[in-house]
Amino acid sequence: QVQLVESGGGVVQSGGSLRLSCAASGFTFSNFGMHWVRQAPGKGLEWVAFIRYDGNKKYYTDSVQGRFTISRDNSKSTLYLQMSALRPDDTAVYYCAKGRAESNSPGYWGQGSLVTVSS
Amino acid sequence: QTVVTQEPSFSVSPGGTVTFTCGLTSGSVSTSYYPSWYQQTPGQAPRTLIYSTNTRSSGVPDRFSGSILGNKAALIITGAQADDESDYYCVLYMGSGIWVFGGGTKLTVL
Repeated sequence: QVQLVESGGGVVQSGGSLRLSCAASGFTFSNFGMHWVRQAPGKGLEWVAFIRYDGNKKYYTDSVQGRFTISRDNSKSTLYLQMSALRPDDTAVYYCAKGRAESNSPGYWGQGSLVTVSS
Repeated sequence: QTVVTQEPSFSVSPGGTVTFTCGLTSGSVSTSYYPSWYQQTPGQAPRTLIYSTNTRSSGVPDRFSGSILGNKAALIITGAQADDESDYYCVLYMGSGIWVFGGGTKLTVL
């Protein structure tokens, strides 16, 4: 069965950097696009970034463009989110999600990793 | 900038029917937006209910259905149950690789 396990979250100071990882199993990782979605405490879901199955196309929401970088290592079935110039409003649970084959919409979700940015 | 709209909250009686909508501040939602719907309870990851407008995800009861109603995507729960009390989110594909979630709807079953 599909499993997505995020790691790398923690507390970081404003202006700092952090890298999240998402280890995938149960499916052929290299065949599917992948998303990062976040949820600030008590708030709704916010789409953050998407990477195509081969890593050659990447897309970001405006608020993280230029600060966050999505990447993947298909040989390790792992998705990454490198976050820099972090701000307190980046504080959230970060979920990775597998894109569906027919539309790339977020399908299976991991359990999330909490990132707290302190001021 | 186009925003994806959802009702902030709904109440439904057990056994009742509720229709959530997912719209745009500018324009109409069509199947080309690949609307998907998610259910989330506090402290849990979202669970996919519906994708590509009206396809139920594996294991989702058939009391959940999706469609386009007028100029919006819709999620309908027929025969609501107590454990349907959750937050519900839609997401739309805006083109150029960009996805946008709605603000979510909190459902109370009472």
